[in-house]
Amino acid sequence: QTVVTQEPSLTVSPGGTVTLTCASSTGAVTSGYYPNWFQQKPGQAPRALIFGTSNKHSWTPARFSGSLLGGKAALTLSAVQPEDEAEYYCLLYYGGAWVFGGGTKLTVL
Amino acid sequence: QVQLQESGPGLVKPSQTLSLTCTVSGGSISSGDYYWSWIRQHPGKGLEWIGYIYYSGSTYHNPSLKSRVTMSVDTSKNQFTLKLSSVTAADTAVYYCARVTRDGYNFHFDYWGQGALVTVSS
Repeated sequence: QTVVTQEPSLTVSPGGTVTLTCASSTGAVTSGYYPNWFQQKPGQAPRALIFGTSNKHSWTPARFSGSLLGGKAALTLSAVQPEDEAEYYCLLYYGGAWVFGGGTKLTVL
Repeated sequence: QVQLQESGPGLVKPSQTLSLTCTVSGGSISSGDYYWSWIRQHPGKGLEWIGYIYYSGSTYHNPSLKSRVTMSVDTSKNQFTLKLSSVTAADTAVYYCARVTRDGYNFHFDYWGQGALVTVSS
């Protein structure tokens, strides 16, 4: 069974920078996994942030960026705002099926 | 502005079939650019992709759920439906529907419904 692994939790100071990663149990994540990233706040549906590794939706704040880093998909938040405190999920494609990561709880403190 | 709305019973008895409908507004479900997906989230847990359907009826499923999942699309009503058979308490979750846009070589799960809580209990 394929497992997608994210950091369970991270803490960042307001104005700081933090990178969340997304690893695959099958090996290095490449663009062919079409990495997607989502933000979810309590009681809300997930909101799409990034698709295709690094592409932003029209509503994605400029401080969010996606990349591949050391064999993983990565989401970097720069100049973090208090409202960025949320759960973040990555999603990877495995030839017809999609698998979500377990999520990273980001605390802004 | 595309909107998706889940509807269906909030309580299902064990061993029965869970049935949910997602109504799409602000766009056509018949467009070849989109897949229509179901995702669920167990209470306090992460997200799980259930599957998606193309307007033609082609379906793709999570292998772990495949034998119990049936998806269909009704283009005349701009709706798509999820049926999950033989449910147990482990199927209690918030169920989301979402649009998946195929854009060149990319897929993006761009628009989501607000979610529907389904509880499996006698």
